[in-house]
Amino acid sequence: NAGVTQTPKFQVLKTGQSMTLQCAQDMNHEYMSWYRQDPGMGLRLIHYSVGAGITDQGEVPNGYNVSRSTTEDFPLRLLSAAPSQTSVYFCASKNTGNSPLHFGNGTRLTVT
Amino acid sequence: AQSVTQLDSHVSVSEGTPVLLRCNYSSSYSPSLFWYVQHPNKGLQLLLKYTSAATLVKGINGFEAEFKKSETSFHLTKPSAHMSDAAEYFCVVMAGFQKLVFGTGTRLLVSP
Repeated sequence: NAGVTQTPKFQVLKTGQSMTLQCAQDMNHEYMSWYRQDPGMGLRLIHYSVGAGITDQGEVPNGYNVSRSTTEDFPLRLLSAAPSQTSVYFCASKNTGNSPLHFGNGTRLTVT
Repeated sequence: AQSVTQLDSHVSVSEGTPVLLRCNYSSSYSPSLFWYVQHPNKGLQLLLKYTSAATLVKGINGFEAEFKKSETSFHLTKPSAHMSDAAEYFCVVMAGFQKLVFGTGTRLLVSP
């Protein structure tokens, strides 16, 4: 039972480069989300999706794009990487209602 | 708007002594509340959740939390700390439809 799978685990980018962080879940969860974690700031919501074809912005969406073409996958795209996007990124999914989030193991991104 | 405040950024205890991690919430309606734990370089794991059933919620690894509406608190406790409890702990409130808001985290340090 894989749960939420994120790739890659580590990534180093130069300023201005683009890349996609992958996230896949095998629990048939409708809700998927991306968070970034920075020291002393907890986790902040970037984008989320309540089902295939539906996405919405979270607290810190600037510089990121998402799409949800299938229930299983929710990739996060960095359009033009900036040093301020150096962070640890977590993908999470859940069932509808008050059910808890299930997290991936994170992607540590460094932008130089 | 829903929010959570974790009152301590760091808590230090000795092994075998009680643990208290404090969380206050703000919510315009009856909230759903969660505690998550994150061990170094790992993803987040659900410890316990409150969803308007019993006010005393038991979680994994001997942790429990009590929902107190009059105090708008959801503090996490454990009677006896173990070295393996050293980690970062996050209090989380469900804010509206499917969106979860994280506190800034409390780092628990356990000394022998």
